[in-house]
Amino acid sequence: GAVVSQHPSRVICKSGTSVKIECRSLDFQATTMFWYRQFPKQSLMLMATSNEGSKATYEQGVEKDKFLINHASLTLSTLTVTSAHPEDSSFYICSARDRGGYGYTFGSGTRLTVV
Amino acid sequence: SQQGEEDPQALSIQEGENATMNCSYKTSINNLQWYRQNSGRGLVHLILIRSNEREKHSGRLRVTLDTSKKSSSLLITASRAADTASYFCATDQAGTALIFGKGTTLSVSS
Repeated sequence: GAVVSQHPSRVICKSGTSVKIECRSLDFQATTMFWYRQFPKQSLMLMATSNEGSKATYEQGVEKDKFLINHASLTLSTLTVTSAHPEDSSFYICSARDRGGYGYTFGSGTRLTVV
Repeated sequence: SQQGEEDPQALSIQEGENATMNCSYKTSINNLQWYRQNSGRGLVHLILIRSNEREKHSGRLRVTLDTSKKSSSLLITASRAADTASYFCATDQAGTALIFGKGTTLSVSS
């Protein structure tokens, strides 16, 4: 079945640095990628939607200059957390839809800890 | 953005008992999906029910959907300790992102 590989699975970074999270669709073309954030003991909150070759659409309250999303190819989307702060510590997870628009495939998530 | 609520927020039962979780949503949907998430881990897709379906079964799982009430329920029969996890419903409004409910944390003790 469809697989989305998300890396890294865990990352610890210092305040003020940037962290890049990658999601790759391994056996299908991900025309649309969704990025979610999940704080401890909470649900997944949609951060942004990106379509290949287009600018991402951010949900209300999500800073687009802080969370940079690149979806330059049909198999790779990246989320860069810029100038990370401890409050950015969270679980980030991507989800991809293919050309046919059927089904959502989730990555395994990235646990970001900012110290 | 979130579609709605799940209840209960937390549920504790004994092994062998049934667990029922409910989900309500706000807008029209194409389908509704249930996911499981073990602590600190990714999502596991459990079951999808389309808007024109009323009930669906998969192993020990039974899902119902009432589009008139905009609600769904997930029943896990004969629960096991391994079923301990958080359960989320997620709605698909056609072409947009899945929107998740707040989730139910299930604890099954042996």
